[in-house]
Amino acid sequence: EAGVTQFPSHSVIEKGQTVTLRCDPISGHDNLYWYRRVMGKEIKFLLHFVKESKQDESGMPNNRFLAERTGGTYSTLKVQPAELEDSGVYFCASSQVPTYGYTFGSGTRLTVV
Amino acid sequence: KQEVTQIPAALSVPEGENLVLNCSFTDSAIYNLQWFRQDPGKGLTSLLLIQSSQREQTSGRLNASLDKSSGRSTLYIAASQPGDSATYLCAVSSTGTASKLTFGTGTRLQVTL
Repeated sequence: EAGVTQFPSHSVIEKGQTVTLRCDPISGHDNLYWYRRVMGKEIKFLLHFVKESKQDESGMPNNRFLAERTGGTYSTLKVQPAELEDSGVYFCASSQVPTYGYTFGSGTRLTVV
Repeated sequence: KQEVTQIPAALSVPEGENLVLNCSFTDSAIYNLQWFRQDPGKGLTSLLLIQSSQREQTSGRLNASLDKSSGRSTLYIAASQPGDSATYLCAVSSTGTASKLTFGTGTRLQVTL
């Protein structure tokens, strides 16, 4: 089966610009997650979709971040406007049953300059 | 609030040595614990998943143990090889927040020739 796909793999944008990250989960996985790792810190949870519904968005840092999952398939994470502290690696993961483990994508490395 | 700690932060061993990576967590109310591997610039690869009712899991040269009551897990790598060089991450899924993984900061392993 195809894995979790993320793109772009890298993005460099200027402060104040908008960036949209995309994640395609494994087909049939209703659960989709976004995580983020900023420099020197551990990977942290951002939010969780079950199909097209946001199940838990307690990790979203602020209202500059908007995640969507229209139709319950792929998901996008938009940062608008981007700030320097948003730089990091954004990971997407999906699972069929959360307690049975997760499959992660390769991540998108975002650099805000 | 669940916190995950990994010791050591970095480790360098000669090829062929057996080694142990440690993970500790503060809240023993977990669903499962997962070990991941991350290669530079790449995503997370799941190595082993241990459910809370299990004591250990094995895959090839890897063995992970779980002592839930003491909040500890170890990843044992037998007969290390240069290809094992990577960052190893431990993550727990806590009871009541099964949608979230709490990660440690990882152990960076280098296996030298």
